Formats: sequence, C-alpha cells, structure tokens
Amino acid sequence: GDSVTQMEGPVTLSEEAFLTINCTYTATGYPSLFWYVQYPGEGLQLLLKATKADDKGSNKGFEATYRKETTSFHLEKGSVQVSDSAVYFCALSSVEYGNKLVFGAGTILRVKS
Amino acid sequence: DVKVTQSSRYLVKRTGEKVFLECVQDMDHENMFWYRQDPGLGLRLIYFSYDVKMKEKGDIPEGYSVSREKKERFSLILESASTNQTSMYLCASRQPGQGLQETQYFGPGTRLLVL
Repeated sequence: GDSVTQMEGPVTLSEEAFLTINCTYTATGYPSLFWYVQYPGEGLQLLLKATKADDKGSNKGFEATYRKETTSFHLEKGSVQVSDSAVYFCALSSVEYGNKLVFGAGTILRVKS
Repeated sequence: DVKVTQSSRYLVKRTGEKVFLECVQDMDHENMFWYRQDPGLGLRLIYFSYDVKMKEKGDIPEGYSVSREKKERFSLILESASTNQTSMYLCASRQPGQGLQETQYFGPGTRLLVL
C-alpha cells in the first residue's frame, strides 16, 4: 500500500543553518504531497503542498519539490530560526487510498541559538 | 479563521473506563477524522466520517467507535480503555472539493493517559 518514509530525527541545527528533511514515498498512482508542521503543544498545520510532478510548494521560507523520478519530496530551508523548532510530517493523499492522508513518522527539528 | 477544537487537552482515565473525546469544527466541513499520534509511528487513522451519520473504519479501529450526529461534531469513544490506548489523539476536518489536494485542519490534540 501507499507509504511515506522520513529521515529519523531529532535533527539539531544552529540558527541560520541550512535544513533538509528527506521524504520519500511509495504510491501506486499520482498522489498529492504535503508537509505538515506541529509546534510544541499544538495540532498539525499545513506548511506546504504540491499536487503534481515538478511542482514546488513553498511557505515561510520552506520549499519542497515533487520529484516523481525519485519519488521524493524533501523539505528545505536556507536559514532556520529557533522558532522553526517543531515536528515535521511528510504526507501523501492518493485516490487509491480514498483521498485520505498517509503520514510519515515525523522528524523532530531543534534549532539552537 | 478556521477552528477545530477538542474538549480536553489532557485526560487521565483508568483501565476499563468508557472514554469520550469530543471534536467540534466551525467551518461547516463535511469530512472529519480521528488520528492517534505515537512517537516513531506518525499519525494513524482510527475512523473518519464523510458526512453526518456516516462513518468508516481507518487503519486501526479496534477498540474504538465514533459518533457523528451533527455536522460540526465528531466523537471518538473508547469502549473500555486499555493502557495501550495511551496516546495523543488528533481530530481533523476537511471540505472535499478538488480531489486530492484539500487541506485537513487539525485540532490541538488530546493527550490521554490510561492507568
């Protein structure tokens, strides 16, 4: 079935460092791809999404490009801030799974000042 | 602004108790979802509802049931709580429209401890 694999955390970075969180997926069709973020003590909120191959989602300085050839949707940010400390979830939505979300395990990001 | 609220942020219950978790959304969304979140496992879908009085099993429905009598409210019921149901429970809602790309909006979560 459809699945999402994320790099394990926690990822610890210094402020202004470059961030990459890897995400790869397995899906039988053509899914939409999402990154959700969960700040401490809060629910999840959508960070960005991409609905077809080569689309780039972006928000708050974060970017991710839908790469069909490598089945990947890696999250990047050029310069992280302490306020970016959170848990990041990669997810997909596919017709084969009834348009429901399939989540990765989540990656904890800690940014030190 | 969209809003999904959950009745409790923290709950402590005893094994065997019947537990009700309530979720309310104010966006008139048709679809609602219940997930549990566990470290290293991400979010797993327990139950979902496409509309009022409709419910579908998710990936891990065992030990749970749901109720959706009104559009804005979706309740998760633990019939007889067990320690392996200690977890963070997240509710979400979505308005269907364009297929795959509609955003799900999440509540803040309920952290349940079963002793």
